[in-house]
Amino acid sequence: KAGVTQTPRYLIKTRGQQVTLSCSPISGHRSVSWYQQTPGQGLQFLFEYFSETQRNKGNFPGRFSGRQFSNSRSEMNVSTLELGDSALYLCASSLELTGLAGGGDTQYFGPGTRLTVL
Amino acid sequence: QKEVEQNSGPLSVPEGAIASLNCTYSDRGSQSFFWYRQYSGKSPELIMSIYSNGDKEDGRFTAQLNKASQYVSLLIRDSQPSDSATYLCAVNRDQTGANNLFFGTGTRLTVIP
Repeated sequence: KAGVTQTPRYLIKTRGQQVTLSCSPISGHRSVSWYQQTPGQGLQFLFEYFSETQRNKGNFPGRFSGRQFSNSRSEMNVSTLELGDSALYLCASSLELTGLAGGGDTQYFGPGTRLTVL
Repeated sequence: QKEVEQNSGPLSVPEGAIASLNCTYSDRGSQSFFWYRQYSGKSPELIMSIYSNGDKEDGRFTAQLNKASQYVSLLIRDSQPSDSATYLCAVNRDQTGANNLFFGTGTRLTVIP
């Protein structure tokens, strides 16, 4: 079974621009989560989508947004880029067969998109 | 207080020794716990998940969970140079089923041949 894929793998943008990152989960997985990883802050949760709905959101400004499509693929968008947005953006998928309470299934990470803002 | 705390290390052990990695978490209601390994320049890969108090073994790896003490650990037996990586402890706090992993800053492990 193919793993989580993310495109593009590398991006260079300038301040003020916007960017869209894409994530395709493992086949059959219904939940997609996004994380930002920086040397200073480590891995931080951005948001999670399940059945095309944002189910959980981390503590990031509204410039960070996302969506999920009916085939579970997900995109995240960052508008008005700032230098501090330079990071590795990781997508993770999990099965979530029932979507019911239970503590969360295991998340499997994609290779990430390395975003550099100049 | 951070949600998830790990000793950042670095931790160095000789090849063949036991490496012990520790993690504490702040939310007593946390339900699920994970250990990920991350090689430099790569994304995290799952090593172990643990949901109940006690030990869980998988090959050379043993995860231990003590919810009363809010403590999770990972033991790596017969450490190999290929185990050299950063180990991330992650805790899912959400009790509704939603995913919201809080990660520690990671412990850097070096296994010396």
